[in-house]
Amino acid sequence: DVKVTQSSRYLVKRTGEKVFLECVQDMDHENMFWYRQDPGLGLRLIYFSYDVKMKEKGDIPEGYSVSREKKERFSLILESASTNQTSMYLCASSLPFPGTWGAYEQYFGPGTRLTVT
Amino acid sequence: AQTVTQSQPEMSVQEAETVTLSCTYDTSESDYYLFWYKQPPSRQMILVIRQEAYKQQNATENRFSVNFQKAAKSFSLKISDSQLGDAAMYFCAYRSTSGTYKYIFGTGTRLKVLA
Repeated sequence: DVKVTQSSRYLVKRTGEKVFLECVQDMDHENMFWYRQDPGLGLRLIYFSYDVKMKEKGDIPEGYSVSREKKERFSLILESASTNQTSMYLCASSLPFPGTWGAYEQYFGPGTRLTVT
Repeated sequence: AQTVTQSQPEMSVQEAETVTLSCTYDTSESDYYLFWYKQPPSRQMILVIRQEAYKQQNATENRFSVNFQKAAKSFSLKISDSQLGDAAMYFCAYRSTSGTYKYIFGTGTRLKVLA
């Protein structure tokens, strides 16, 4: 089974701190994603990476950056945390596109609930 | 741009009964993929069922089935013989078959299962 893990389930940080959220997948997937989940807004894409050191902005990249130095690891960085970044953060991975039918399925991590005070 | 709409923020169903969650989408594309994801209270999102737009036959996975109406751009999820473990947030998602990597998610429907 594909396993996607995230470094913390719960995190509390102070305004202005630099925050690192780590995501690791064990299935050699090329694609990795960071989403933010807020009630009533669904999942919104922050950043996407399709290969090591390759990244693309999603719908809400402001205030975030990412790092992918190794294929299995995708990090989300909050350069200076703010209270409006309090949210649930979900990491996901998938095979590259286009590809086989199964390539279109995303596998998710358990999420990190971040609170910024 | 594609959009996905889930108009039911919350639904309830009695154990062993059947419930249908609705999803509509908007796209100008003719080929795409549709998904239903389940997010239990533990938060790990998992795939429930998927549908290729070019297939007319509705997908089925055990107690889960979809009613895919391409012309109406509707993709509803039917859960039969509901169980307590079905209680979760359910997200409908769309993905183009073109080069874009984006998945478009709906806002979710919280399903409560009553014993």
